[in-house]
Amino acid sequence: GENVGLHLPTLSVQEGDNSIINCAYSNSASDYFIWYKQESGKGPQFIIDIRSNMDKRQGQRVTVLLNKTVKHLSLQIAATQPGDSAVYFCAENYGQNFVFGPGTRLSVLP
Amino acid sequence: NAGVTQTPKFQVLKTGQSMTLQCAQDMNHEYMSWYRQDPGMGLRLIHYSVGAGITDQGEVPNGYNVSRSTTEDFPLRLLSAAPSQTSVYFCASSYSAVGRNTEAFFGQGTRLTVV
Repeated sequence: GENVGLHLPTLSVQEGDNSIINCAYSNSASDYFIWYKQESGKGPQFIIDIRSNMDKRQGQRVTVLLNKTVKHLSLQIAATQPGDSAVYFCAENYGQNFVFGPGTRLSVLP
Repeated sequence: NAGVTQTPKFQVLKTGQSMTLQCAQDMNHEYMSWYRQDPGMGLRLIHYSVGAGITDQGEVPNGYNVSRSTTEDFPLRLLSAAPSQTSVYFCASSYSAVGRNTEAFFGQGTRLTVV
């Protein structure tokens, strides 16, 4: 919705550059992580996931890196496009449910 | 394939009114959940269900009730709306309990304003 993203950290990136969005997770026992993309007025959409037995996973133009030592997750977007403008959330699997981070707004500059 | 469908998309309530937010999925998913999204706070889990007839509380359950009489439907009820319940609500479903490492599919959201 329109209120999503107020007070969120914002990353501004030039079109064509690479973007890196970071996330710190809280539970060292979490064993599965997902990155979601949320465009204005829409629900979150799955981008990529990674299990705790991996430290890197690649998709189409996206790469997720997992550093379990410091409980850090990052999402890299190659050749950022205007359509990548959105709020990005990381989510960690905790028990039967997910815990979501507060999100980062990605703004792509022409 | 409709996925996860939420109705209504927008709703304005007066304090003290009751209403039900509807959520339906056509993917035969076992797991369904309700989140609320407030500015700067990400998504917070209200209630969830791991199958028909089973519901449980999430992080912020107060003021909300749920039921799961069928696999497809998971309505969220506000018995007496309060301004603090002004938020965007999302329903999500996944093939099995999220703890088994499966992604969640989200509906488009319901924007609720309580005046």
